[in-house]
Amino acid sequence: QQQVKQSPQSLIVQKGGIPIINCAYENTAFDYFPWYQQFPGKGPALLIAIRPDVSEKKEGRFTISFNKSAKQFSLHIMDSQPGDSATYFCAASKHNTDKLIFGTGTRLQVFP
Amino acid sequence: EAGVAQSPRYKIIEKRQSVAFWCNPISGHATLYWYQQILGQGPKLLIQFQNNGVVDDSQLPKDRFSAERLKGVDSTLKIQPAKLEDSAVYLCASSLFLLASGDQETQYFGPGTRLLVL
Repeated sequence: QQQVKQSPQSLIVQKGGIPIINCAYENTAFDYFPWYQQFPGKGPALLIAIRPDVSEKKEGRFTISFNKSAKQFSLHIMDSQPGDSATYFCAASKHNTDKLIFGTGTRLQVFP
Repeated sequence: EAGVAQSPRYKIIEKRQSVAFWCNPISGHATLYWYQQILGQGPKLLIQFQNNGVVDDSQLPKDRFSAERLKGVDSTLKIQPAKLEDSAVYLCASSLFLLASGDQETQYFGPGTRLLVL
């Protein structure tokens, strides 16, 4: 129940494409769902986060879609750029705790 | 604003040796976390401090791992003795404070220490 399952493991798109990364969870106590971006040799950095009271959140070219009934959430990157090439992690945590449970990561490559 | 600092960046040791990692969080951040990131996996929380007290160490292998945060600022994570399966990147993160309003605080990660145990 503590797991967050992430797919795909890797993703290759051309510049301008819209990569989509999916995550699923089991524990209904989770109520905070962030996405982290990690470049090689760097630590993860918060990209965008959502709570289950909304179904979608946009920040720039990044959008989270959230389906509470299906216990799934996804990251969409609009007009992807080579600079978006990185590993993306979804995560989840329970209310009143900031212990993050991370997915296994998706390595995204955006080719010019 | 300076980020989370970690040292060393890389460490190679032989199994059964000991090793220590150091972390300096962002100034003013009361909460500090140590994560283990094995190649191809997401980070896994090892221990969480609030100031100099431990909040959660449920996933810390206490027979070989130890951590301390003296004076509520810098922290060290030690492994003694190291095993081959400890090869990973050890990430330190910090956040302002725990649950000020029930909302999660953003965690800021350092660059990590890459450990290779031979």
